[in-house]
Amino acid sequence: NAGVMQNPRHLVRRRGQEARLRCSPMKGHSHVYWYRQLPEEGLKFMVYLQKENIIDESGMPKERFSAEFPKEGPSILRIQQVVRGDSAAYFCASSPPEGEDTYEQYFGPGTRLTVT
Amino acid sequence: DQQVKQNSPSLSVQEGRISILNCDYTNSMFDYFLWYKKYPAEGPTFLISISSIKDKNEDGRFTVFLNKSAKHLSLHIVPSQPGDSAVYFCAASGDFGNEKLTFGTGTRLTIIP
Repeated sequence: NAGVMQNPRHLVRRRGQEARLRCSPMKGHSHVYWYRQLPEEGLKFMVYLQKENIIDESGMPKERFSAEFPKEGPSILRIQQVVRGDSAAYFCASSPPEGEDTYEQYFGPGTRLTVT
Repeated sequence: DQQVKQNSPSLSVQEGRISILNCDYTNSMFDYFLWYKKYPAEGPTFLISISSIKDKNEDGRFTVFLNKSAKHLSLHIVPSQPGDSAVYFCAASGDFGNEKLTFGTGTRLTIIP
């Protein structure tokens, strides 16, 4: 059973460019979460999605950031007009649908975004 | 407002001894708690979880204890092994886990051979 997959693993963007981060959840998982880890800090929640629905985006910056989880294909975290402060590790996690006994979130390897 | 706190940034333990990592939380609405282990340049790996209706959960060398009245949980690893050296994050959520996780800042555990 393949784990959570993220690509690219490393992404370098110049200030003002767009960054697109992709996440494929574990097979059978219908919930996707995005987290960001700044250097020397813990992970901070950004957004929680189910297929075609944003459930909780309370951790998303109000501007330049958006996320989607379409009916087909991976979840995408999009950052427009990147700035140096966006440099961080972005982690995606997935969890099983409702009705399962447990709700652990399983994480992908992360995408390390560097803005130059 | 740090709702989940890990007050020890680092911990060193002799191989074979017990490692005890601590975590405190302030939000009484949290009802599901998890521990993750993280190596550099990798994603967090799920270790063990506990629901607020329990006070202990055990899985092999890992045991998590929850003290709801004190809003405190701890992870015990026994015996500690060199491969346990990593950063350990405590996380909490409401709705018995089916929502966002709030993470502590992590404790770097070093196992001394």
